[in-house]
Amino acid sequence: DVQMTQSPSTLSVSVGDRVTITCRASQSISSWLAWYQQKPGQAPTLLIYDVSNLESGVPSRFSGSGSGTEFTLTISSLQPDDFATYHCLQYSSNMYTFGQGTKLEI
Amino acid sequence: QVQLVQSGAEVKKPGASVKVSCRASGYTFNTYAVHWVRQAPGQRLEWMGWINGGDGGTKYSQKFQGRVTITRDTSASTAYMEVSSLRSEDTAVYYCASASYGTALDYWGQGTLVTVSS
Repeated sequence: DVQMTQSPSTLSVSVGDRVTITCRASQSISSWLAWYQQKPGQAPTLLIYDVSNLESGVPSRFSGSGSGTEFTLTISSLQPDDFATYHCLQYSSNMYTFGQGTKLEI
Repeated sequence: QVQLVQSGAEVKKPGASVKVSCRASGYTFNTYAVHWVRQAPGQRLEWMGWINGGDGGTKYSQKFQGRVTITRDTSASTAYMEVSSLRSEDTAVYYCASASYGTALDYWGQGTLVTVSS
């Protein structure tokens, strides 16, 4: 199975900060990568799919980039509603793997 | 709109089995896959497996192969996930999620808490 290594696990940030979260795959997954946001007690919600495609309704301050084995989620200017945990998901070869999550803290 | 509604919380003893349901609405059930994901307290999301809503074909994570069974009832637009030989480490919130075949999980159920305790 493809292993996903996400970093950092925790990030101390402030409103207005530019935030970057990274996921590395143990082998090439082409462009089969998504990012999710999860708030406490809630199911994850899809932010970005296929590396860089913004899900409908997601603010444009979220963006994704990368290919092959290294991928990045960027939040250009952190807003109060963005304090949450972020997960990457790879979905190559019909097998799926999540990263370990990144929690944004004040 | 697409909705996935899961069955309620369960408390089970070690060694027992649990079966969680996921009823879909707002789309044609047999044109999408239903995936199952779990999250133990303080842990990462774990992908468990998926079922093809059309032909019922399944695929499982190696970790859960043999102990997890995913089925579906197309007439009820419902998918099921059963875990056998439960142990305390299976205590988690279990989610179902829909996806077009081979794509990211887009719609999620509300989650079902399964507690395994003697």
